[in-house]
Amino acid sequence: EVQLVESGGGLVQPGRSLRLSCAASGFTFDDYAMHWVRQAPGKGLEWVSGISWNSGSIGYADSVKGRFTISRDNAKNSLYLQMNSLRAEDTALYYCAKGDGYIKLTYFDYWGQGTLVTVSS
Amino acid sequence: DIVMTQTPLSLSVTPGQPASISCKSSQSLLHSDGKTYLYWYLQKPGQSPQLLIYEVSSRFSGVPDRFSGSGSGTDFTLKISRVEAEDVGVYYCMQGIHLTFGGGTKVEIK
Repeated sequence: EVQLVESGGGLVQPGRSLRLSCAASGFTFDDYAMHWVRQAPGKGLEWVSGISWNSGSIGYADSVKGRFTISRDNAKNSLYLQMNSLRAEDTALYYCAKGDGYIKLTYFDYWGQGTLVTVSS
Repeated sequence: DIVMTQTPLSLSVTPGQPASISCKSSQSLLHSDGKTYLYWYLQKPGQSPQLLIYEVSSRFSGVPDRFSGSGSGTDFTLKISRVEAEDVGVYYCMQGIHLTFGGGTKVEIK
């Protein structure tokens, strides 16, 4: 059974940093691209970032480019999102999602339960 | 960016009756590789999204056959042949070329 468990969310002041983690199990982690997708309170879904199986291809939404960094550790079956210079508009539930082979021309077949990030003073 | 537009915004359905959701993209989702990158998700209340349909019309593992997808190019439809209580939630279409979602359609039971 595929399981994706996010952690690291919390309340943070504007301008500060936060690092999210996602622990994966139930599939061969280093065979697949992985993604972060977020959902602001009461709003729809927004793709944030994706990383290929070998970290050779990485992509970001324009809204986070230059502030967020995605990474993965295949030895630990883990995905990360380093979020710097956080803004109020980054407040959202952040989901870890499993992709297929690529970071574009793709979809998400399994999602975690999400970790809530609240940016507020 | 490719913009995805869903209609209606909300739908109230009597159990056992059909339901239909439309999704239109601002550009064709037919790629040069021959695939059409259109997907449907359901987010049940309090849960994370779950994949229902991939590449327009293929049901994901475990998805009941009352769910079906159709369409081509820029116009797509998700149909539920007979709505059940467990089908309530928000349905999203997503284009897989640049990874953007529609605004969602909330389905509730009458």
